[in-house]
Amino acid sequence: QLQLQESGPGLVKPSETLSLTCAVFGGSFSGNSYNWGWVRQPPGKDLEWIGSIYDTGSTYYNPSLRSRVTMSVDRSKNQFSLILNSVTAADTAVYYCARRHILYCSDGRCFSVFDYWGQGTLVTVSS
Amino acid sequence: EIVMTQSPATLSVSPGKRATLSCRASQSVSSHLAWYQQKPGQAPRLLIYGASTRATGIPARFSGSGSGTDFTLTISSLQSEDFAVYYCHQYHDWPPITFGQGTRLEIK
Repeated sequence: QLQLQESGPGLVKPSETLSLTCAVFGGSFSGNSYNWGWVRQPPGKDLEWIGSIYDTGSTYYNPSLRSRVTMSVDRSKNQFSLILNSVTAADTAVYYCARRHILYCSDGRCFSVFDYWGQGTLVTVSS
Repeated sequence: EIVMTQSPATLSVSPGKRATLSCRASQSVSSHLAWYQQKPGQAPRLLIYGASTRATGIPARFSGSGSGTDFTLTISSLQSEDFAVYYCHQYHDWPPITFGQGTRLEIK
C-alpha cells in the first residue's frame, strides 16, 4: 500500500521560507503513470493546488503562487519537496502531498487525478 | 482558470435517504471531473473520476454523472460514515488544477 508522509517545520515566521518534504513509501516513485503534487487547505477553507512535479523534474505551478514556489524531486530517496518563499499569514494551512495517477494522455495532454494523499501537516505562519 | 461551483453549500439528509450534490464548471471539462470525500482531520479520498467511474474500493452507493459543465454525485441510502465534505475537481484544463468550494453533507 502506497503511503506518503509530509515533514517540515510547523511554524514559520512571516517573510521567511516554508520548506516541506514528502516521502513516498510502499510503491513505485518513478514511472510514466504518475506525477506528484502539493495541495493546501487553510483552516476551515477550500483545497488549493500548489503545484505538481514529474519524476523527471518537470514542474507545473499554480499561477497564483508561481513567483514564490519551487518544487524538486529526489529519486534516490523516493521523495519530493516544496519551497514557498516570503510567506505571510495567508499561507497558514494544512499542506498535503499527493500522488497524481495519470489516467491517460491524448494529443500531448495528460489527465490525472489525486489517488493517494499524505495525512497533511499544519504549517502556521506567525511571529 | 476553470472555476468550479458546488451546490448546495450544506445539505442535510437523513440516514438511509438519498443525497444529490451538484458541481458546475465555468467552461466545459468534458468528463474530466473527479469527486473527493473529506472527513474532519483527514486527507481527501478519491471517490469518482472520469465523472462516473468509482475509484478502487468505493461502495456502489456512490455514483457520478454528467459531462461538459454540469455534474452530480449521488449517494444512495446514506450511511453514518458518509457524512463529510465533498469536493469536485476538474483536471481537464490546467494549470491551474481547480477544486470546488465543497458541499458539507450533514445528518438531518
